[in-house]
Amino acid sequence: QKEVEQNSGPLSVPEGAIASLNCTYSDRGSQSFFWYRQYSGKSPELIMSIYSNGDKEDGRFTAQLNKASQYVSLLIRDSQPSDSATYLCAVNLGRYGNKLVFGAGTILRVKS
Amino acid sequence: DTEVTQTPKHLVMGMTNKKSLKCEQHMGHRAMYWYKQKAKKPPELMFVYSYEKLSINESVPSRFSPECPNSSLLNLHLHALQPEDSALYLCASSQDSREDGYTFGSGTRLTVV
Repeated sequence: QKEVEQNSGPLSVPEGAIASLNCTYSDRGSQSFFWYRQYSGKSPELIMSIYSNGDKEDGRFTAQLNKASQYVSLLIRDSQPSDSATYLCAVNLGRYGNKLVFGAGTILRVKS
Repeated sequence: DTEVTQTPKHLVMGMTNKKSLKCEQHMGHRAMYWYKQKAKKPPELMFVYSYEKLSINESVPSRFSPECPNSSLLNLHLHALQPEDSALYLCASSQDSREDGYTFGSGTRLTVV
């Protein structure tokens, strides 16, 4: 079982729709979770972090965490073509102290 | 502009060459990291430095040699690389707590010929 799993996509949504990206992780000791956006040929950019069960909102982005189900998601409201990128879920694995492990990433395409 | 600066942005080297990648951060972060990213793959952790000491080495071949001269600088020395080592090499930094995400530099795109 991979430590962090994501559906590779691509996920295609029309402009203005809600994009829903999902991630599961294997280590129940994990305490912090992150979403990065990576445009083609660029480095990852941190867009959201979440540590507690429930929802966390920042502008058009909402991160959701369910530790019992070992599941974290990212919702992007009012999707724009500029949101088209690869979204990487990253988990700080509890047993290793501070070690960020990435999922394979989900490609999001927003069609205008 | 990123607050983690990597140089050079591009590097082409032969298999017998010795080169170094450099990374600098001015955010007062206490941990620095090297990641390797192949095309269409996620970043893979190579090394972690915490308080200038190597704390994690993910079984990286010895042809990659990290160095942390001080809390702001991180180098990756390269020697006798193979073509399969061609990738984007990313440096990152953080406050070294589990709640902090990493800030990445723009990367060095390395091609080994």
